[in-house]
Amino acid sequence: QVQLVESGGGVVQPGRSLRLSCAASAFTFSNYGMHWVRQAPGKGLEWVAHISRDGSVKYYADSVKGRFTIPRDNSKNTLYLEMNTLRAEDTALYYCTRIIAAATHAFDYWGQGSLVTVSS
Amino acid sequence: ETILTQSPATLSLSPGETATLSCRASQSVSSYLAWYQQKPGQAPRLLIYDASNRATGIPARFSGSGSGTDFTLTISSLEPEDFAVYYCQQRSNWPLTFGGGTKVEIK
Repeated sequence: QVQLVESGGGVVQPGRSLRLSCAASAFTFSNYGMHWVRQAPGKGLEWVAHISRDGSVKYYADSVKGRFTIPRDNSKNTLYLEMNTLRAEDTALYYCTRIIAAATHAFDYWGQGSLVTVSS
Repeated sequence: ETILTQSPATLSLSPGETATLSCRASQSVSSYLAWYQQKPGQAPRLLIYDASNRATGIPARFSGSGSGTDFTLTISSLEPEDFAVYYCQQRSNWPLTFGGGTKVEIK
């Protein structure tokens, strides 16, 4: 059973940093591109970032570009989201997602989400 | 950025009826459109990818159609568990984008 388990969320002050982790299991992690998608409270879905299966290609939403990075460690089957200079508008539930197939950026598995609250 | 506009915002229907949800793109996304279902307190679930391909385990009452800029998700004979919010998402252009969602509620 494919599992994606996020961790690392919490309450953080504006301007500070936070790192989310996503532990993957029951599939060959290094064969899949991965994404982060977020959802502000009561709002819709917003794509955040993508990393290719080998980590060589990364894309970011304009809203996070220059502040967030999306590394991965294939030896640990783990995806990360490093968030710097956090803003109130970054408050959201952050989902780790897997693409359904190579170069097919539709998300067939989602984690349960990790809540990030940016507040003073 | 490709803007996806979903309509209507809310659809009020009874079980057994057919739901027709629309997603319109601000530029062509070819057939690279997916649909998701989200229930309260749950992560989204992939229903349809590449406009018309049902994801694994998705019942046949869910069907998708369209290409270019206009897409439709049809849910035939609504079951009680189908009342939820539905999102479309395009993968044709970076950044990936989602529509604002359509809530299908019980009439």
